[in-house]
Amino acid sequence: AQSVTQPDIHITVSEGASLELRCNYSYGATPYLFWYVQSPGQGLQLLLKYFSGDTLVQGIKGFEAEFKRSQSSFNLRKPSVHWSDAAEYFCAVGSSGTYKYIFGTGTRLKVLA
Amino acid sequence: KAGVTQTPRYLIKTRGQQVTLSCSPISGHRSVSWYQQTPGQGLQFLFEYFSETQRNKGNFPGRFSGRQFSNSRSEMNVSTLELGDSALYLCASSPDSGLYGYTFGSGTRLTVV
Repeated sequence: AQSVTQPDIHITVSEGASLELRCNYSYGATPYLFWYVQSPGQGLQLLLKYFSGDTLVQGIKGFEAEFKRSQSSFNLRKPSVHWSDAAEYFCAVGSSGTYKYIFGTGTRLKVLA
Repeated sequence: KAGVTQTPRYLIKTRGQQVTLSCSPISGHRSVSWYQQTPGQGLQFLFEYFSETQRNKGNFPGRFSGRQFSNSRSEMNVSTLELGDSALYLCASSPDSGLYGYTFGSGTRLTVV
């Protein structure tokens, strides 16, 4: 069965520091992978996606993620965090023919000024 | 272009009542999905519709139902509300299967008292 694990429930970083949020997935075939961000009281905004090709994908707001098949990981990175990045981040996996996503439990990011 | 619109934004209902939530997808999007978000269970898939046909359904009781109209607008209905149905209900739309990313609405916050 498909599953997504985000091992870090909370992460705190200082503004300007680098960020890496971890995501591990379990899926037999090549998955469709996504990172979404959710600000308080809001819906989810798509940051980036991967389904094939270059394993390093660029997204919006300066985020990038790297797909590593050997580690079943799709970690999200940002070189320099801004205070406005404070939010909850969700990793998700989709598969052809199911028309649904499996979401991780989310990582709440706090940014210190 | 207008995003995904969910109405109402907030709703308070009493146990045993029923409720209908509405979702207007992005123009041209034919796939609409619904997710329930709670602090305890996270984001869980409810169902997905495409061209008025339900293509997949999550593991929820029959009290949860949905439909899609010919203009792609979608509604979900919850009958005989329970306290545990209190959640943020998110609607998302995509041109077809969602494998290239869904666009989410801001959600309807349902509180059952």
